[in-house]
Amino acid sequence: SYELTQPLSVSVALGQTASITCGGNNIGGKNVHWYQRRPGQAPVLVIYRDSKRPSGIPERFSGSNSGNTATLIISRAQPGDEADYYCQVWDSSIVVFGGGTKLTVL
Amino acid sequence: EVQLLESGGGLGQPGGSLRLSCAASGFTFSSYAMSWVRQAPGKGLEWVSTLSDSGGSAFYADSVKGRFTVSRDNSKNTLYLEMNSLRAEDTAMYYCARRIVSTIYYYFDLWGQGTLVTVSS
Repeated sequence: SYELTQPLSVSVALGQTASITCGGNNIGGKNVHWYQRRPGQAPVLVIYRDSKRPSGIPERFSGSNSGNTATLIISRAQPGDEADYYCQVWDSSIVVFGGGTKLTVL
Repeated sequence: EVQLLESGGGLGQPGGSLRLSCAASGFTFSSYAMSWVRQAPGKGLEWVSTLSDSGGSAFYADSVKGRFTVSRDNSKNTLYLEMNSLRAEDTAMYYCARRIVSTIYYYFDLWGQGTLVTVSS
């Protein structure tokens, strides 16, 4: 079965840029989606189809996908960005999530 | 307001049953396939089940196949998950989510707050 690998945690200084990676075999050939889950809140789609932002998501959130790594980039990090972030793909009719990355804004 | 609101979680006995509900509002519920996704304590997200917009096609993760049944009532804008033969490993927060799909992508653009299921004697 297809597997997605994310770092357990990423830290970023306030106002700086955070990069959260999602590794998978030839993930560049798939559509990758990213979700933010703040404690006690519903998950929110922040990036879909590698790099598209849903309405209401700040331009500070962007995504890229190539080779074996997809990346969620959060620029000008804010305290409200502290959350768990999950990548997701669809492979062989199966929904696959990454293990999640906890983002800490210092 | 576009939203999903889950209910029905609680304490279930091993081997017992629970029924979860997800009430949708603010959008045309009958036009969307809907899914259940869960998150066990300390674990990541796990897709559980998806039901087509008409309710005619249902899909399940291997971990729940034969034990869980997804259904919907489009007249009530509500999605259900009937959980039978509960196991300790079914303990999780259960989220209802709206699915977006094409031939090359599949994702969830709207999620509920979740309802907590605990399976324990």
